[in-house]
Amino acid sequence: DIQMTQSPSSVSASVGDRVTITCRASQGISRWLAWYQQKPGKAPKLLIYDASSLQSGVPSRFSGSGSGTDFTLTISSLQPEDFASYYCQQADSFPYTFGQGTKLEIK
Amino acid sequence: EVQLVESGGVLVQPGGSLRLSCAASGFTFSSYWMHWVRQAPGKGLVWVSRINSDGSSTGYADSVKGRFTISRDNAKNTLYLQMNSLRVEDTAVYYCASGSWYVDYWGQGTLVTVSS
Repeated sequence: DIQMTQSPSSVSASVGDRVTITCRASQGISRWLAWYQQKPGKAPKLLIYDASSLQSGVPSRFSGSGSGTDFTLTISSLQPEDFASYYCQQADSFPYTFGQGTKLEIK
Repeated sequence: EVQLVESGGVLVQPGGSLRLSCAASGFTFSSYWMHWVRQAPGKGLVWVSRINSDGSSTGYADSVKGRFTISRDNAKNTLYLQMNSLRVEDTAVYYCASGSWYVDYWGQGTLVTVSS
């Protein structure tokens, strides 16, 4: 199985900050990567697919990049509603696997 | 509006069985792959199983292979997860989800608790 490792596991930031979360795959996955946002008690929401494509309705302050084994999710200017947990997911091969998550907290 | 509504989550003893259902509406259910994803309390997301649009192909995480069976009834717009030989570590919120390589839509989840 492909292992997905996110870093950091948690990060504290302020409104207006730029934040970057990284995701590393244990083997090359081309650009078969998605990012999800999850708020407490809610289902996840798809933000980015194919490593850098923005899902419809997602604000442009979210962006993704990378290919192969190393990927990043960047939030250019944090808004209050962005404080949540974020997960990467590889879709290169079954079983699909998620990263362990990154919790974004208010500083 | 796309809606996925899970049901069937309850408290069950270790070794027991349970069937989860997911009623879909607002999209052409028979055209989409479907998935089950679970999340243990306070933990991360874990993909469990997927089924293709006509039910002819399925896949499972190693942790549930041989114990769980995913199926669908396209005439009823319903997805199922039959869970047998349940273990304490299967305790989680189980999400029904739609999408091919990525999950576009998620249900609200149903809680399965495995405990004696």
